[in-house]
Amino acid sequence: GDSVTQTEGQVTVSESKSLIINCTYSATSIAYPNLFWYVRYPGEGLQLLLKVITAGQKGSSRGFEATYNKETTSFHLQKASVQESDSAVYYCALSASGTYQRFGTGTKLQVVP
Amino acid sequence: GALVYQYPRRTICKSGTSMRMECQAVGFQATSVAWYRQSPQKTFELIALSTVNSAIKYEQNFTQEKFPISHPNLSFSSMTVLNAYLEDRGLYLCGARDGGAAEQFFGPGTRLTVL
Repeated sequence: GDSVTQTEGQVTVSESKSLIINCTYSATSIAYPNLFWYVRYPGEGLQLLLKVITAGQKGSSRGFEATYNKETTSFHLQKASVQESDSAVYYCALSASGTYQRFGTGTKLQVVP
Repeated sequence: GALVYQYPRRTICKSGTSMRMECQAVGFQATSVAWYRQSPQKTFELIALSTVNSAIKYEQNFTQEKFPISHPNLSFSSMTVLNAYLEDRGLYLCGARDGGAAEQFFGPGTRLTVL
């Protein structure tokens, strides 16, 4: 079946430093699934951060970006300079049909001063 | 804009009892609704997918007998956790999609605690 892998359970980054959160996917039901990053801030619901539905394209939002790489089946999330307000849990997800998502295990980002 | 509400936000039930949670879509037509569960220390697991005018599809390890779902119209869905036990605790999320849209809109979740 389809699956998403996030290898880091928690990441701690100093403010203004760069960030990369790794995500790889495996899709057996469809060649090119839609890929997403969701974010959940403390005490809030799940929010869509960015999505890319075309292989080779890059999505960006709030300073974050991720490129859909079909060769390496990866969709890593990057930000050049993080802020304390970016502290949250980030989930990578894929969707083959659009009707539901398969989520990764989530990466908790802690930004320290 | 498109919003999804879930009720209640938090609930506590005794082991062996049942608990019903609701999901309401506002600003769009929820032609399909997916219910997920996030157990402690785990990711969001798909429980079932409900599409209006189609049979509800349950994922492996989840059954209609345990998690009956109702999706009577394009704005509302409910799911009941029957005979809840400790392993049923977690955050239950509903995600609703409008027809050919590429993404789901998620509610804030219902957090279930089982005593």
